[in-house]
Amino acid sequence: AQSVTQLDSHVSVSEGTPVLLRCNYSSSYSPSLFWYVQHPNKGLQLLLKYTSAATLVKGINGFEAEFKKSETSFHLTKPSAHMSDAAEYFCVVSDPGNTDKLIFGTGTRLQVFP
Amino acid sequence: DTGVSQNPRHKITKRGQNVTFRCDPISEHNRLYWYRQTLGQGPEFLTYFQNEAQLEKSRLLSDRFSAERPKGSFSTLEIQRTEQGDSAMYLCASSLGQGTDEQYFGPGTRLTVT
Repeated sequence: AQSVTQLDSHVSVSEGTPVLLRCNYSSSYSPSLFWYVQHPNKGLQLLLKYTSAATLVKGINGFEAEFKKSETSFHLTKPSAHMSDAAEYFCVVSDPGNTDKLIFGTGTRLQVFP
Repeated sequence: DTGVSQNPRHKITKRGQNVTFRCDPISEHNRLYWYRQTLGQGPEFLTYFQNEAQLEKSRLLSDRFSAERPKGSFSTLEIQRTEQGDSAMYLCASSLGQGTDEQYFGPGTRLTVT
């Protein structure tokens, strides 16, 4: 079965320093992968998605992720954290039997300190 | 485009009572999804609709749960004889069509069963 593993439940960074949120996936073939962000009291928002085109995917708010098949990873990065980036981030894979069905990881809470 | 809306935002009910939640998707979005998110976990797929047709139901959706989308626009999710284990955030999302179209999420309805 498809699944994603988010390796860190919490990540803390200082404002202006790089962000790395790690995600590994399990799949028997090339999956569709996403990163969603959830701010308190707001709906989940799509940051970026990978659908077998370019392996380096650029998203909104300066985030990007690189699909590495050899490592089965899809880590999310940002060169410089901003206070407004503090939120919960979810790595997501689509179900191969039904690409409309999203399978979420357990989430990584990002804290940004001034 | 006013986004996906969900009502109510919060619901507190006593065990054994029935509750109903409403989701209004983005207009012209054909697909509508329901997810459940418990504390500290990522959202889990429950069911989804293509227009008024319910296409798939998760094993998580016991026979106490029923979802409808009678005219292919708004949807309702009803839980009968609520249990404390039903306490969660219920999320609704919509998308234009199939495959890897972005799913736009509403803010959710938080259910607390006492």
